[in-house]
Amino acid sequence: SAVISQKPSRDICQRGTSLTIQCQVDSQVTMMFWYRQQPGQSLTLIATANQGSEATYESGFVIDKFPISRPNLTFSTLTVSNMSPEDSSIYLCSVVALLPPQYFGPGTRLTVL
Amino acid sequence: QQPVQSPQAVILREGEDAVINCSSSKALYSVHWYRQKHGEAPVFLMILLKGGEQKGHEKISASFNEKKQQSSLYLTASQLSYSGTYFCGTESVEGGGADGLTFGKGTHLIIQP
Repeated sequence: SAVISQKPSRDICQRGTSLTIQCQVDSQVTMMFWYRQQPGQSLTLIATANQGSEATYESGFVIDKFPISRPNLTFSTLTVSNMSPEDSSIYLCSVVALLPPQYFGPGTRLTVL
Repeated sequence: QQPVQSPQAVILREGEDAVINCSSSKALYSVHWYRQKHGEAPVFLMILLKGGEQKGHEKISASFNEKKQQSSLYLTASQLSYSGTYFCGTESVEGGGADGLTFGKGTHLIIQP
């Protein structure tokens, strides 16, 4: 399976600021996704990161709050904008190489004060 | 629509068996099973793609009843390392395998010596 890395692994941010999370894969993948896992909860899909075009967002998530880029087949970024304490979560990217399944990166633990 | 997992939690003695169920109200294309330990990312266990399919991985196996839109994960002769939270993630038929996953709320499994 592909090796997935995320940066930063954790961060503590102030309310009203923005944070960009990077997801890097060591090989080309067909699909990349971003998920959020709030404390003690399940995983919720934020969006599908589409290479060279706008991301596809799930209900309840908007581009202004969670802008996503995917410039190539191995890299994607998720920005959490104008943060509030409710954005404190683990943010995970996942990838599909050629065929399913999805594999998850190590996650970024975000705390907003 | 979020799949329903049962039970919510289970406590076992080492060597005992467990069954975790995942039910969906939508027709499913696939079911993914993951295990997540505290502070770590979800780890892929297995994927079931066809109705009636059954797969195995060491002492962990799973079944997928397409007609009932259900999947079950079987843990045989449980080991201490099996402790964690188990999630099922589903893809609907409409997505055709190109969608992100919708996860159940998880099943907390505690194995005691």
